[in-house]
Amino acid sequence: EVQLVESGGGLVQPGGSLRLSCAASGLPVSNNYMSWVRQVPGRGLEWVSVIYNDGDTYYADSVKGRFTLSRDNSKNTLDLQMNSLRTEDTGVYYCTRLRTTLQFDFWGQGTLVTVSS
Amino acid sequence: EIVMTQSSVTLSVSPGERATLSCRASQSVNTNLAWYQQKPGQPPRLLIYGASTRVTGIPARFSGSGSGTEFTLTISSLQSEDFAVYFCQQYNSWPLTFGGGTQVEIK
Repeated sequence: EVQLVESGGGLVQPGGSLRLSCAASGLPVSNNYMSWVRQVPGRGLEWVSVIYNDGDTYYADSVKGRFTLSRDNSKNTLDLQMNSLRTEDTGVYYCTRLRTTLQFDFWGQGTLVTVSS
Repeated sequence: EIVMTQSSVTLSVSPGERATLSCRASQSVNTNLAWYQQKPGQPPRLLIYGASTRVTGIPARFSGSGSGTEFTLTISSLQSEDFAVYFCQQYNSWPLTFGGGTQVEIK
């Protein structure tokens, strides 16, 4: 059974940093496309970042240069380092598996990030 | 960026009735379109991909159709567990984008 468990969310001031983690079981992050999707009330779902099995990473324009996605194959985890946070980054962040055909088929329960002064 | 529009924010349907949800793309996505269901407090769940292919285990009352820019998700006879929010997602080009969602509520 695949399980994705996010952690690291919380309240942070604008301009601050936060690091989200995703612990995966039932699938190796090294052999899969792994992605973060966020959900903002009133703005629906937004793809944030992806790391391919070859290690290449890509980001939405809205977070490029501020967020960094990495993985630890030995621990089977993903990390999303979020810097220079803005109020519009507020939302629930989901760790997901992205099929090679580009649908999100496994989701964690999400972790809430609130950026506010 | 391809913008996905779900014109109905809320759809009020009686149990046992048919629900028809629409999704429009700002440019052609061919049949590279998926549908998700989300219930309160839960993450989205993939229902359909390729515009019309159900994921294993999804009941046959869920069906998808369309191609290009116009897509439809039909729930033939609404069950109590089907009242939820439904999102479409295109994967024809990057960035992957979602519609704003349609909430199917009990009439």
